[in-house]
Amino acid sequence: RKEVEQDPGPFNVPEGATVAFNCTYSNSASQSFFWYRQDCRKEPKLLMSVYSSGNEDGRFTAQLNRASQYISLLIRDSKLSDSATYLCVVNPKDSSYKLIFGSGTRLLVRP
Amino acid sequence: DTAVSQTPKYLVTQMGNDKSIKCEQNLGHDTMYWYKQDSKKFLKIMFSYNNKELIINETVPNRFSPKSPDKAHLNLHINSLELGDSAVYFCASSQDLQTNQPQHFGDGTRLSIL
Repeated sequence: RKEVEQDPGPFNVPEGATVAFNCTYSNSASQSFFWYRQDCRKEPKLLMSVYSSGNEDGRFTAQLNRASQYISLLIRDSKLSDSATYLCVVNPKDSSYKLIFGSGTRLLVRP
Repeated sequence: DTAVSQTPKYLVTQMGNDKSIKCEQNLGHDTMYWYKQDSKKFLKIMFSYNNKELIINETVPNRFSPKSPDKAHLNLHINSLELGDSAVYFCASSQDLQTNQPQHFGDGTRLSIL
């Protein structure tokens, strides 16, 4: 089983739609969780950290479910500019200094 | 005012050659990284340095040698380039080793081996 798994998509949605992505992780001791966004032929950029209590930033909401070992990202009122690949990122263990990146979920928002 | 800058942006070279990629960050961060993103878009950590000290060295061929002259710079030298080295290489930095710190990426070096 991969350490971090994501549905590659693409998710093709109309502008204004609500879309949600899930990401599962294999190590129950994982401590830190993030969503990054990567545009085509660009570098990854931090979208938001994911906290145990869940967090919201404008149209974006991130949730963590430790029991089922997944994190989610919800995007409300999708914009054309939201089209990108969304990378789920996990620190697998507290003693490791590295982050594990999922292969990403591609989102296409159409007019 | 680029935070993490890497050069060159594109690198096209022949198999067997030796090449270097440079990275500099002006964020005052202690920790820097090299990642490889292959054609399937997997982003994998290669190396990590904290205050010029090697912290992470994944199972990377020893043809790849990182060098950190100071904490603001982390360069990557690759000897005897192979076809499988073709990828996008990203440099990144973070405040420190704590993994709850976000990582800031350079805009990548696209390496193509002929």
